[in-house]
Amino acid sequence: AQKVTQAQTEISVVEKEDVTLDCVYETRDTTYYLFWYKQPPSGELVFLIRRNSFDEQNEISGRYSWNFQKSTSSFNFTITASQVVDSAVYFCALSDRHLIYNQGGKLIFGQGTELSVKP
Amino acid sequence: EAQVTQNPRYLITVTGKKLTVTCSQNMNHEYMSWYRQDPGLGLRQIYYSMNVEVTDKGDVPEGYKVSRKEKRNFPLILESPSPNQTSLYFCASSPGQGDTYVSNQPQHFGDGTRLSIL
Repeated sequence: AQKVTQAQTEISVVEKEDVTLDCVYETRDTTYYLFWYKQPPSGELVFLIRRNSFDEQNEISGRYSWNFQKSTSSFNFTITASQVVDSAVYFCALSDRHLIYNQGGKLIFGQGTELSVKP
Repeated sequence: EAQVTQNPRYLITVTGKKLTVTCSQNMNHEYMSWYRQDPGLGLRQIYYSMNVEVTDKGDVPEGYKVSRKEKRNFPLILESPSPNQTSLYFCASSPGQGDTYVSNQPQHFGDGTRLSIL
């Protein structure tokens, strides 16, 4: 069965610190997709990134970067020079070929990591 | 603008009073899903639909019904709501199988519906 684990329930940092959010996933499929979503206090889910299992290149987008390591089944998310506006709950999620073809593209979510950035 | 629209955004109601949360998407997506979000549990799929008139149970379907009479709409129905259905609900849509899914489109989520059942 598929599973996503975000071991960090809450993280608190001071503005300008770097912070890494961990995500470990499990799937038996060789074709899968990993996602990160941000949920600010207003409640909506904001898509941040999608990565497929065949692309292990790390990605950087401004202050955000993602480290995908198949060897450790991890897809970690780093925010550099954090800001108060980064305060949110962050979810890592997984979908694989089975879920896409049989369960409506279902996403398996981790429990979420609540990030608090203090001024 | 591509979007998934849920209504209402907030609702407080009482046990046993039937309610419907509407969901509509304007992207001609095949797949639609409902999720509920509860603290410490992440988001869990309630029901999903892979096309018109095709629906199936997700992980937590008890107490919910859905229908998919047209491609754009996927309402969530609580026939007799109970307090344990107090939650934040999200509707999502995505293109479906085949090349369109592989083309880097994420699932599109609505803005959420916060339901409180007293």
